[in-house]
Amino acid sequence: QSAPTQPASVSGSPGQSITISCTGTSSDVGSYNYVSWYQQHPGKAPNLIIYGVSSRPSGVPDRFSGSKSGNTASLTISGLQSEDEADYYCSSYTSTSTPVFGTGTKVSVL
Amino acid sequence: EVQLEESGGGLIQPGGSLRLSCAASGFTVSSKYMNWVRQAPGKGLEWVSVIFSSGSTYYADSVKGRFAISRDNSKNTLYLQMNSLRAEDTAVYYCARDQWLGSYYFDLWGRGTLVTVSS
Repeated sequence: QSAPTQPASVSGSPGQSITISCTGTSSDVGSYNYVSWYQQHPGKAPNLIIYGVSSRPSGVPDRFSGSKSGNTASLTISGLQSEDEADYYCSSYTSTSTPVFGTGTKVSVL
Repeated sequence: EVQLEESGGGLIQPGGSLRLSCAASGFTVSSKYMNWVRQAPGKGLEWVSVIFSSGSTYYADSVKGRFAISRDNSKNTLYLQMNSLRAEDTAVYYCARDQWLGSYYFDLWGRGTLVTVSS
């Protein structure tokens, strides 16, 4: 099972919006709405910020939103803030009934 | 407080064995789908294994036949027995809860324990 592809890095200025893509295949992202996103700050455990493609767990700011089209899922961060600087990973259910994480994206706030 | 705490990591020689533990508090491990996820130094996340509430287990191809996931309901603790360790198994190992029971949304993570496989 190959990891869905994410851009290695994305950057933006405070207040701007950025979008991170997660491109998989018909064996994962394209066939299931079990897509989630995680934020990971350096030296910390990942934190769930989006599940079920576009749902936010309690406590996650509504600046974070998710969507999916075909084999590609996307995470948008609106009104970028300095604390959003972190690594982001998508994850998808797969045809082997196991999950696969994306390659990861480093977000920098300029 | 709802939390997970891993232990058992360390330096081990190639070919050796190690058992990781993940103590849970605030919820019952046996009622959830519990997972192990690892992260090699400077690399991305890799799913390793899951144990369902039913007791069924599944593994990533990279560890199948070498690793075994289990739990002790009386201790509310998750385990990962790792055998025939290789250099490429070097990583921080996290235990993670999936309370959606099979959707693999990991809503609770431990802090992780570092396993270093080196001679």
